[in-house]
Amino acid sequence: ETGVTQTPRHLVMGMTNKKSLKCEQHLGHNAMYWYKQSAKKPLELMFVYSLEERVENNSVPSRFSPECPNSSHLFLHLHTLQPEDSALYLCASSQDRISGGANEQFFGPGTRLTVL
Amino acid sequence: GENVEQHPSTLSVQEGDSAVIKCTYSDSASNYFPWYKQELGKRPQLIIDIRSNVGEKKDQRIAVTLNKTAKHFSLHITETQPEDSAVYFCAASKGDTGFQKLVFGTGTRLLVSP
Repeated sequence: ETGVTQTPRHLVMGMTNKKSLKCEQHLGHNAMYWYKQSAKKPLELMFVYSLEERVENNSVPSRFSPECPNSSHLFLHLHTLQPEDSALYLCASSQDRISGGANEQFFGPGTRLTVL
Repeated sequence: GENVEQHPSTLSVQEGDSAVIKCTYSDSASNYFPWYKQELGKRPQLIIDIRSNVGEKKDQRIAVTLNKTAKHFSLHITETQPEDSAVYFCAASKGDTGFQKLVFGTGTRLLVSP
């Protein structure tokens, strides 16, 4: 699959589990994002990585821990989540205009997370 | 910080009619306004965007208008088709850094009936 891929597509976990979401972009972009999409709420930006450095953390609880080992991969490590964390977690990537991109964000298919 | 409001939350039209979705933003420094379409069970995809140096942009059946003074922008879809049925999200950002910190509206569910 080209573009932005995410695994797993579905995840069910208990509140005491530890799991990780993975995102990979095949577009050569230099910025990656994590969003949370809950029913009847706008997409919420969680984290932004630009050139592999975290540049935004929108007051996300510490039970969510991002990791960006290189420009193509982004992880979201989860531990001791709450039922209200159940949502669709979307990854996106973009290439900024300074380096010749259009700054359009390309989204992955998302991971549907259910916390029991 | 930026706040984006989107209306209506749902919109039902007959095939062939036009559909208009409106968004307002609060930060006058915002200068980039994309629109995303999300079909059921699929990822959001950019359908059109506009920057603050233009007032209108058109791409076939879709167009976006921007009123910087009033701080609102709108998506116009003409000759709607059943495949236009989806949730549409507007967003705004300042775009003055190397990455985009998009603030999204709550979405509009568009249903086009044959």
